[in-house]
Amino acid sequence: SQQGEEDPQALSIQEGENATMNCSYKTSINNLQWYRQNSGRGLVHLILIRSNEREKHSGRLRVTLDTSKKSSSLLITASRAADTASYFCATDMTTDSWGKLQFGAGTQVVVTP
Amino acid sequence: DGGITQSPKYLFRKEGQNVTLSCEQNLNHDAMYWYRQDPGQGLRLIYYSQIVNDFQKGDIAEGYSVSREKKESFPLTVTSAQKNPTAFYLCASSIKGRSSPLHFGNGTRLTVT
Repeated sequence: SQQGEEDPQALSIQEGENATMNCSYKTSINNLQWYRQNSGRGLVHLILIRSNEREKHSGRLRVTLDTSKKSSSLLITASRAADTASYFCATDMTTDSWGKLQFGAGTQVVVTP
Repeated sequence: DGGITQSPKYLFRKEGQNVTLSCEQNLNHDAMYWYRQDPGQGLRLIYYSQIVNDFQKGDIAEGYSVSREKKESFPLTVTSAQKNPTAFYLCASSIKGRSSPLHFGNGTRLTVT
């Protein structure tokens, strides 16, 4: 089974609204990363939060991490049509082998004008 | 511009044929990865390589093979032993060490009939 599980699976909002998606995971992590994927394209790295951090910001993105609940959330504020994409969380677990990320199934976000 | 190039974008093959997907990067990254993406699922790791002439199996390596003869190149061969090869294949790279985000190519969509 997958390490990360995103919720909701799909989200439809209007421009200007905020979009929030959540990620839950099962085992201890070194860090958690969020990626965006436009239809038919590769993934683009958005933000990384380490296990000893609780919140991180990057432009209109805000990520939180609660290691006691093994969960993270991604907030996109003041959404735009260009934010339409799938968003994936990926966890880097506490193993000897670095770089092996475990991805969730993603949240598909549609932003309508 | 630095980046990862995957070719071709679309690939069609008959069942029983081996096929090789190309992945080249000019980012001078040490590590390279192959992921498979199926509809409604997250990315699953096929193989990864942290250094030239060395590679490791990921979670779903059966029916696939790779080589890493050059730092820039990490081709993936989908063999006839892969039972369900039709999928979207993504190549990625990263610098060495933890907390290194992945840089993705734009993928190859393989259809086997």
